[in-house]
Amino acid sequence: KQEVTQIPAALSVPEGENLVLNCSFTDSAIYNLQWFRQDPGKGLTSLLLIQSSQREQTSGRLNASLDKSSGRSTLYIAASQPGDSATYLCAVIASSSYKLIFGSGTRLLVRP
Amino acid sequence: DVKVTQSSRYLVKRTGEKVFLECVQDMDHENMFWYRQDPGLGLRLIYFSYDVKMKEKGDIPEGYSVSREKKERFSLILESASTNQTSMYLCASSLSWSPQHFGDGTRLSIL
Repeated sequence: KQEVTQIPAALSVPEGENLVLNCSFTDSAIYNLQWFRQDPGKGLTSLLLIQSSQREQTSGRLNASLDKSSGRSTLYIAASQPGDSATYLCAVIASSSYKLIFGSGTRLLVRP
Repeated sequence: DVKVTQSSRYLVKRTGEKVFLECVQDMDHENMFWYRQDPGLGLRLIYFSYDVKMKEKGDIPEGYSVSREKKERFSLILESASTNQTSMYLCASSLSWSPQHFGDGTRLSIL
């Protein structure tokens, strides 16, 4: 059974720092991996999607990498800002279905 | 931009009531999903649908049913609401293997 783990559970950094959020999954037979952002009391916003054949995806200050063989993905946030404060979730889709399996998230606080 | 709209942001119901949560998407997506999100348990899939009138159970379907009569609308039904169904409910849609797009969620309280 696929399990997704995110470390750390919470992170507090000063504004301007570069930071890395980690995601690991137990079964490497994935179709793609998606990173989401969730603000308190709100739904999820898709940030980046990496296909299983890709190594990384970039959008603005965000860069996500994927190492399928080791079951790991990282989300790199450059020059963090207070507006980046949110919970970040990663999720994988197994090759056999459309179902997303979520990690429990990393709660990020960027201090001004 | 894809828009996924959930009919209510907040809902309060009583135990034993039949509760309907509605979700509508405007991008002709074939796949639609219902999740619930609870502190410490994360997001869990209740049901999903990959076409009109098609549905598949997710990880926690007990106590729930769904209806998809039209492609754009996916309804989650709590047959007889119980207090352990108090939660945040999130609807999502996707086109084939493309990213899933989520609504803003419905915070449901069962008293």
